[in-house]
Amino acid sequence: EAQVTQNPRYLITVTGKKLTVTCSQNMNHEYMSWYRQDPGLGLRQIYYSMNVEVTDKGDVPEGYKVSRKEKRNFPLILESPSPNQTSLYFCASSLHGRFGGYSLDEQFFGPGTRLTVL
Amino acid sequence: GQQVMQIPQYQHVQEGEDFTTYCNSSTTLSNIQWYKQRPGGHPVFLIQLVKSGEVKKQKRLTFQFGEAKKNSSLHITATQTTDVGTYFCAGLGNFNKFYFGSGTKLNVKP
Repeated sequence: EAQVTQNPRYLITVTGKKLTVTCSQNMNHEYMSWYRQDPGLGLRQIYYSMNVEVTDKGDVPEGYKVSRKEKRNFPLILESPSPNQTSLYFCASSLHGRFGGYSLDEQFFGPGTRLTVL
Repeated sequence: GQQVMQIPQYQHVQEGEDFTTYCNSSTTLSNIQWYKQRPGGHPVFLIQLVKSGEVKKQKRLTFQFGEAKKNSSLHITATQTTDVGTYFCAGLGNFNKFYFGSGTKLNVKP
């Protein structure tokens, strides 16, 4: 089944304790992205990746890191989490980003990771 | 910075009534996508509009992209309880950054 998976689905942690949220897609998509969703603010893009080894900042990248060593995986790293990073996080992928003449395709979202930082 | 505003924030309708949500961008968008998120779920793609003035229909849903490519709307005719959820617009701005609207939460009373 074509899907985007995220782990963990729920996480409660404490300030300053490094954590990683994994994201994996099995659709051979080139474009992957991380979003955070907060009440009243919609989804805000944290980082995105056009392809392997190519990542770039979205609208709210502060306090986050990403890596794209393989096409299928795009982990989100919080080196020193703080309470203002408490949020619902979504990973998404699409076949292409807008590059080389392609138009951006529909994004497939993972099920979400609810993170609480105490 | 670039912003995508969406109104209304909430809409409560009686089943059978129509519903419209509006999306406005501070800058020109290269395309706009619409997503639906059911309560407790993840966003699910509905449609993408690319051309200025484009109108697309999916059964009871009508999507429009403004002539200036700075606004868009989603209209649902004769709502049903299955339409409940939050509807988001998302525009592709500079480079490959995506900007989502804050969403319109639709509640349909049977």
